[in-house]
Amino acid sequence: SQQGEEDPQALSIQEGENATMNCSYKTSINNLQWYRQNSGRGLVHLILIRSNEREKHSGRLRVTLDTSKKSSSLLITASRAADTASYFCATASNQAGTALIFGKGTTLSVSS
Amino acid sequence: ETGVTQTPRHLVMGMTNKKSLKCEQHLGHNAMYWYKQSAKKPLELMFVYNFKEQTENNSVPSRFSPECPNSSHLFLHLHTLQPEDSALYLCASSRDRGVGNEQFFGPGTRLTVL
Repeated sequence: SQQGEEDPQALSIQEGENATMNCSYKTSINNLQWYRQNSGRGLVHLILIRSNEREKHSGRLRVTLDTSKKSSSLLITASRAADTASYFCATASNQAGTALIFGKGTTLSVSS
Repeated sequence: ETGVTQTPRHLVMGMTNKKSLKCEQHLGHNAMYWYKQSAKKPLELMFVYNFKEQTENNSVPSRFSPECPNSSHLFLHLHTLQPEDSALYLCASSRDRGVGNEQFFGPGTRLTVL
C-alpha cells in the first residue's frame, strides 16, 4: 500500500507558534495533497504538490516534498485557534488511478 | 461551502431498515466518490463514478448499493447494515477521474446503526 502516514498523530501548540506535520508514503506518486477536516465535517483541499516540485506556498501554508525520502511536510505559520482541525495527506499515483490514498491524519489543537 | 451537499446530515437506523444517503454537487464535475470514515482509521474509498458509470468498487459489501442517475447526483442505498457500519460517510467530486485531481467533499452523513 502507498498509504500516507502522518506524524505526529496529535499536536498541541499556542496561537502564534508554527505547526509542522509530516507525511510518509511507500511508492512513487504523481502528486501529494493536503486536506483539512474540522470536527465531524467534510475535508477541504489545502494544497497540491506535484512529484517534480519540491516546495509550494499558499498563504500561511508551506508544503515540501522529498521524493527520495518519500516524505512531505506541511508547515502552518503563525497558527490561529481557527487552525484547530485534523490534517490529512493524500497521495495520487498512476497505479491508483482516480483514487487518493489518505493517511490517518494529524490532529492539531491551537489554544489561545 | 464546497459546492457538495449531503443529506441527511445524521441518520440512525436499525439493522433491518432500508435508507438512502444523497449527495449533490453544483460544480459541474464528472466524477463522484463515496468514502467511509471510521474512528482511528484512514478514509476508505468505497465507490467511484465517472460520467455516471461506476469505475471502482473497493470490495464493498453488497449491503451498500450506489446509484448515480446523472453527473450531479449520487446515492448510497443502505440495507441490513451492521453496527460496524456506523461511521461518517463522505461524498466527494472532482473534475474528472484523471489521476490525482483535487477532490471537493461534502459535509458528510453521520450514520449510526443500532
